[in-house]
Amino acid sequence: EPEVTQTPSHQVTQMGQEVILRCVPISNHLYFYWYRQILGQKVEFLVSFYNNEISEKSEIFDDQFSVERPDGSNFTLKIRSTKLEDSAMYFCASTGRIYEKLFFGSGTQLSVL
Amino acid sequence: AQTVTQSQPEMSVQEAETVTLSCTYDTSESNYYLFWYKQPPSRQMILVIRQEAYKQQNATENRFSVNFQKAAKSFSLKISDSQLGDTAMYFCAFREYGNKLVFGAGTILRVKS
Repeated sequence: EPEVTQTPSHQVTQMGQEVILRCVPISNHLYFYWYRQILGQKVEFLVSFYNNEISEKSEIFDDQFSVERPDGSNFTLKIRSTKLEDSAMYFCASTGRIYEKLFFGSGTQLSVL
Repeated sequence: AQTVTQSQPEMSVQEAETVTLSCTYDTSESNYYLFWYKQPPSRQMILVIRQEAYKQQNATENRFSVNFQKAAKSFSLKISDSQLGDTAMYFCAFREYGNKLVFGAGTILRVKS
């Protein structure tokens, strides 16, 4: 089965630093998402992306966050100035059609020190 | 806003027995999808089963089946012949038009030998 790939699997950064989390969605998919999960809590929606623009974002997704699909294959999440509370597992997901199942990547564990 | 409620923070079951995980949701929409995702200790998100709201027949995937009660907005997961590998966090999730998945808080399932 095709996979969504996320790199790195674990990233450690200092508070205030910028981080970029990378994802390669499944090649023929059109809808892309970022979710996050703080340890021990539920998975929360951050942002959805379609046709090269954000289609929906949550309250969590403030001005410190941005997404980009720079080259038609990668889908990135940037956090400009990380805070301690940004420490979480970040999941990328994609789907080919609305209502089809979401394929999740294996996640990037972000630790902000 | 849509909400998904999983009222059982933790459940235990003996190997080979059957267990049912509960989920209720709230929506004013008539057309939507419901999902159960499994998250093992690796924290990867694995789709277990999916149910379309317009289908009356309950979805089944091998040992996994659902009891979908649309009027009651209930979507429980039944695991038959439980195996040690079923030990994981299970998330119920809801998705309506717009593609965003809304997750419940999760139920930790422990299968005991």
